[in-house]
Amino acid sequence: DSGVTQTPKHLITATGQRVTLRCSPRSGDLSVYWYQQSLDQGLQFLIQYYNGEERAKGNILERFSAQQFPDLHSELNLSSLELGDSALYFCASSPKGEAVADTQYFGPGTRLTVL
Amino acid sequence: GQNIDQPTEMTATEGAIVQINCTYQTSGFNGLFWYQQHAGEAPTFLSYNVLDGLEEKGRFSSFLSRSKGYSYLLLKELQMKDSASYLCAVRDLFGSGGYNKLIFGAGTRLAVHP
Repeated sequence: DSGVTQTPKHLITATGQRVTLRCSPRSGDLSVYWYQQSLDQGLQFLIQYYNGEERAKGNILERFSAQQFPDLHSELNLSSLELGDSALYFCASSPKGEAVADTQYFGPGTRLTVL
Repeated sequence: GQNIDQPTEMTATEGAIVQINCTYQTSGFNGLFWYQQHAGEAPTFLSYNVLDGLEEKGRFSSFLSRSKGYSYLLLKELQMKDSASYLCAVRDLFGSGGYNKLIFGAGTRLAVHP
């Protein structure tokens, strides 16, 4: 158990819908990262937040957005869902996000299925 | 550009040693990580290298050569539970603020058989 929690564990929805994935980082960690992992694909970095502010953006679609709240939990919002958005979505956290030895610890993931 | 290459699949025998290679090309290198991921589960941190050389942690060791853009993960005394995907990830320095992001390879699926 990494100490990072994600809810829900599974989510099944229809095309065109909107969903929100939630992540709570490890106690004391200030950075949160979101990744997408499609079937047989590598982990694709989506976005990073550090202490409430967006710090880095990867290949995140415009239909996707995220935020980090004052209590440091983060939410990833996915809208106008398409079949291709079906994937495992992982959240990771790290103490700072910029220190040389900063290690990211991953949550258990949310499996999103779009029908 | 950014590119990380790992073999797609490997097989090995229980009790043996296996070496998983990773080559990378990134615009700014600031460390290399290895993660283990069982199917459908979260990646778990195995090792971190930022300087050239070998880092040993029990049955697992990781090596880095920055000049060659090369790393390997060595797994000794293989056990059935080591069957998993092994992900190589490079921290790529970017931006004026020096904020780092991880770029992951596609992973190597290791199957350990009796």
